[in-house]
Amino acid sequence: NAGVTQTPKFQVLKTGQSMTLQCAQDMNHNSMYWYRQDPGMGLRLIYYSASEGTTDKGEVPNGYNVSRLNKREFSLRLESAAPSQTSVYFCASSEAASRVTEAFFGQGTRLTVV
Amino acid sequence: AQKITQTQPGMFVQEKEAVTLDCTYDTSDPSYGLFWYKQPSSGEMIFLIYQGSYDQQNATEGRYSLNFQKARKSANLVISASQLGDSAMYFCAMREAYYSGGSNYKLTFGKGTLLTVNP
Repeated sequence: NAGVTQTPKFQVLKTGQSMTLQCAQDMNHNSMYWYRQDPGMGLRLIYYSASEGTTDKGEVPNGYNVSRLNKREFSLRLESAAPSQTSVYFCASSEAASRVTEAFFGQGTRLTVV
Repeated sequence: AQKITQTQPGMFVQEKEAVTLDCTYDTSDPSYGLFWYKQPSSGEMIFLIYQGSYDQQNATEGRYSLNFQKARKSANLVISASQLGDSAMYFCAMREAYYSGGSNYKLTFGKGTLLTVNP
């Protein structure tokens, strides 16, 4: 009964390094999302994927790339990390076919870029 | 323009009293959904309540109710009989449709309201 699993939970990067945040869900959901959470800014949508093979930009996509590898997995990549990308990142999934169901969230990844 | 507006950065309430957290939204999608989530200091996102745009009655879930005023585009969360454990950040969110070779949905959040329950 895992739900949405994100890895890693914590990460420290140096400016310019790259990394991939992994997200997997076991609820057979079509839609998956990546958000970043910064103090006073709420959750801002980075990218989302309505189904396997499709991705769309959200509010703050610059500096990020995503891959919807299959229905279960949706990864977020930082090609060249910057201090402005220090944040808590959340992955979420929901059943797109039904508007009434809530999104389920992973536990978050706390990323620090120094 | 912001899709979801939460105008109260912080709110205080006395234990056992009721509190209303405000949320207004903006969308052109006639079939949208509104959600409230709670985020305690531990960081996880906890789903509280849902209201659909076509739902005639206001949603309720235990001590949580949603005061949905469609014409005013507001979806305020009411917490009755506040408890110390209700102290947390609360987020309003909206799911709306977009069209990209079919009907799909995206989920947008407000900036949140930090609720503190005083003993």
